[in-house]
Amino acid sequence: NAGVTQTPKFRILKIGQSMTLQCAQDMNHNYMYWYRQDPGMGLKLIYYSVGAGITDKGEVPNGYNVSRSTTEDFPLRLELAAPSQTSVYFCASSYRWEVNYGYTFGSGTRLTVV
Amino acid sequence: TQLLEQSPQFLSIQEGENLTVYCNSSSVFSSLQWYRQEPGEGPVLLVTVVTGGEVKKLKRLTFQFGDARKDSSLHITAAQPGDTGLYLCAGDLRDDKIIFGKGTRLHILP
Repeated sequence: NAGVTQTPKFRILKIGQSMTLQCAQDMNHNYMYWYRQDPGMGLKLIYYSVGAGITDKGEVPNGYNVSRSTTEDFPLRLELAAPSQTSVYFCASSYRWEVNYGYTFGSGTRLTVV
Repeated sequence: TQLLEQSPQFLSIQEGENLTVYCNSSSVFSSLQWYRQEPGEGPVLLVTVVTGGEVKKLKRLTFQFGDARKDSSLHITAAQPGDTGLYLCAGDLRDDKIIFGKGTRLHILP
């Protein structure tokens, strides 16, 4: 059971470039999330999805886009990368929205924008 | 606005000592979770507490949810080097928003 798989593990982007961070889960979870983690700042929610075809903004959505065409996949798109998007990105999934159902996190993508 | 305050931010202690870290808020949570995160990895769920006053034990780790469901503590008995990591608490607000604290970075010296 792979859980939540994120690719790539590391990436360096130049300012203005675009990229897609991939996230896939094999647990048939209906809820999926994208967080960014900056040093000393905790986890900030970027976007989330409650099921295929449904997405919504989190706390820090500017500069990002998502899609959810299948239950398994939830890619995060960065358009026109900026240095402020340098961060570690985590994808997570859960059976329900509430914290008490537990989140399973991927191992993260470390992105540097130069 | 930081709604979940974790303290201390950093803690470095000798193997075998006991420690307690805290997660505090002025908000009431319907439930609260604790995660441990190791370098280069995502957070891993340790426990969920739901009822005010609830105490849960996971081997040498004891988790308590405050009676008013605004705070929680994690106590580690006889800390081991394997306990080293970033401990995050996450709270579920009654309006379905979930927030994470900034974490306590724990280092156990052998």
